[in-house]
Amino acid sequence: DTGVSQDPRHKITKRGQNVTFRCDPISEHNRLYWYRQTLGQGPEFLTYFQNEAQLEKSRLLSDRFSAERPKGSFSTLEIQRTEQGDSAMYLCASSPGRRGNEKLFFGSGTQLSVL
Amino acid sequence: KQEVTQIPAALSVPEGENLVLNCSFTDSAIYNLQWFRQDPGKGLTSLLLIQSSQREQTSGRLNASLDKSSGRSTLYIAASQPGDSATYLCAVHISNFGNEKLTFGTGTRLTIIP
Repeated sequence: DTGVSQDPRHKITKRGQNVTFRCDPISEHNRLYWYRQTLGQGPEFLTYFQNEAQLEKSRLLSDRFSAERPKGSFSTLEIQRTEQGDSAMYLCASSPGRRGNEKLFFGSGTQLSVL
Repeated sequence: KQEVTQIPAALSVPEGENLVLNCSFTDSAIYNLQWFRQDPGKGLTSLLLIQSSQREQTSGRLNASLDKSSGRSTLYIAASQPGDSATYLCAVHISNFGNEKLTFGTGTRLTIIP
């Protein structure tokens, strides 16, 4: 169990650029989640996958955001045409996905700063 | 819409004291509740998960209780240590089938004074 890994840890970009983040969940975890957290707030749900299927998306996930989980392993979150309001910590989490065992394991996050 | 509130937003206590952190939620139809710890600039670490059918869970010096009917949970930390300093967040998982998201509170920032 190597934990949930996120890359990069920090990303600084200029407004209008595209960025992509990667998340590697704990192996054999079926569920993978993306959350966004701004300073002083709790994480807000963005989307989640059951294996390779994206089953739920928040209204926070505008059409500039896209997430994928090919083959049900790692996931990527892409933000196109970044805006200053996208600056936040992007957190990935995984869980076994079995009823009665829903404990979430979070990665260390990717801190995005849009200048 | 589920809303989760944590009061106080910040708390400072001397080392060695016992303390209680509070979490309240508006919709009692929850599936489970989790308490997390977050260190500055880091991700979240799950501390305790309480299923809706349970009243409490314990892990070491931590004890979490759940009262679904009143929409409240507490996290009790015994014999606090400086290493307990962090932000503590509670999160609820609602019962709707297929709705797998957690709704988080804004957290309590805890400082243990040596």
